[in-house]
Amino acid sequence: AQTVTQSQPEMSVQEAETVTLSCTYDTSESNYYLFWYKQPPSRQMILVIRQEAYKQQNATENRFSVNFQKAAKSFSLKISDSQLGDTAMYFCAFMTGNDMRFGAGTRLTVKP
Amino acid sequence: DTGVSQDPRHKITKRGQNVTFRCDPISEHNRLYWYRQTLGQGPEFLTYFQNEAQLEKSRLLSDRFSAERPKGSFSTLEIQRTEQGDSAMYLCASSALAGGSLGADTQYFGPGTRLTVL
Repeated sequence: AQTVTQSQPEMSVQEAETVTLSCTYDTSESNYYLFWYKQPPSRQMILVIRQEAYKQQNATENRFSVNFQKAAKSFSLKISDSQLGDTAMYFCAFMTGNDMRFGAGTRLTVKP
Repeated sequence: DTGVSQDPRHKITKRGQNVTFRCDPISEHNRLYWYRQTLGQGPEFLTYFQNEAQLEKSRLLSDRFSAERPKGSFSTLEIQRTEQGDSAMYLCASSALAGGSLGADTQYFGPGTRLTVL
């Protein structure tokens, strides 16, 4: 069974600094997608970044980048120049076929 | 706005009552998903439609739960004889088939319906 583990329930970072959120997953599949979603307090879940497993190059989206280590089954999210608006729950998700599994989330607080 | 919408946003009901939620996906998406999210947890998959066909159901979806997508557009999720354990956020997401212009397989989420069963 596919599982996703986020080992950091809560993290905090000072505004303008860099923070890395960790995620590991377990699968026997070779082709899959990985995602990071952000869920601000009382607001809907939005996609931050996605990575196809067959691509070796790490995905980047402005201040957000990932470190994808396929052999280690690791998919961490780096947020550079953190902003107050980055405060949210961050969920790592794994998808193969139509099966999407989420981790339990990391609550990130950006402090002024 | 062309995002995923859900109605109602909040629902409070008494135990034993039936409730129905609606989801309107992004218009060109033919895949629609329902998830349940409890406090402090990630979403858990409930069921999935491709067009009007319900192709997969989680074991979490007991016989009190039923979902439909009659014309391949909007979907409804009904819970019969609600229980306090049904209290959760119910999320809907939609996606395009692989190769679609909006990004293959990426799911876009609605704001959710928060259900409270008293």
